Amino acid sequence: QVQLVQSGAEVKKPGASVKVSCKTSGYTFSSYYLHWVRQAPGQGLEWMGIISTTGGSATYAQKFQGRVTMTRDTSTSTIYLDLSGLRSEDTAVYYCAREQGSSGRYSFDYWGQGTLVTVSS
Amino acid sequence: DIQMTQSPSSLSASVGDRVTITCRASQGISNFLAWYQQKPGKVPKLLIYAASTLQSGVSSRFSGSGSGTDFTLTISSLQPEDAATYYCQKYNGAPYTFGQGTKLEIK
Repeated sequence: QVQLVQSGAEVKKPGASVKVSCKTSGYTFSSYYLHWVRQAPGQGLEWMGIISTTGGSATYAQKFQGRVTMTRDTSTSTIYLDLSGLRSEDTAVYYCAREQGSSGRYSFDYWGQGTLVTVSS
Repeated sequence: DIQMTQSPSSLSASVGDRVTITCRASQGISNFLAWYQQKPGKVPKLLIYAASTLQSGVSSRFSGSGSGTDFTLTISSLQPEDAATYYCQKYNGAPYTFGQGTKLEIK
């Protein structure tokens, strides 16, 4: 069965960086693009970016440009989210999500369990 | 960027009611529209994609319609387990913007 398993909760100080992983299984990794979505406490869903699992290219939401890097490791079917310059507003649950295809024009059918990142001094 | 606006932001309805949630895109997105359900503390769940296609395993009480800029999610006969927040999302290309959410409570 399709599974997206994320790394555990993180607590970071302002200005630090965090790296969240999302290990996939149960399907052909290169056949589906993956996304990162975050949700601040009590708030809605915010799309952060998409990564091609074939070539590894990524497109980021403008809001995160310069602070975010998304990478993938095809040998372990894992993607990573690197967010730097953390501030309190980055406190959120971060989700990886699989789109239903590999063109960047599909909805998200499977989601990771979420990783809580807390930014606090 | 295209904005996605849902209405209402919250609503309360009774078991058995027919409930409608609306999503409007600031520009046309054809049918590249999905609906998700999120219960408190849970992961979002895909309900509808391509504006009107029911995701496998989702109750037929849920239906979607619309194209272009105006879309609707309908729950035909509300059940207690439908209490959740519902989000629409455009996916015709980046950014894959979500609506602000509609919180549905059961009276």
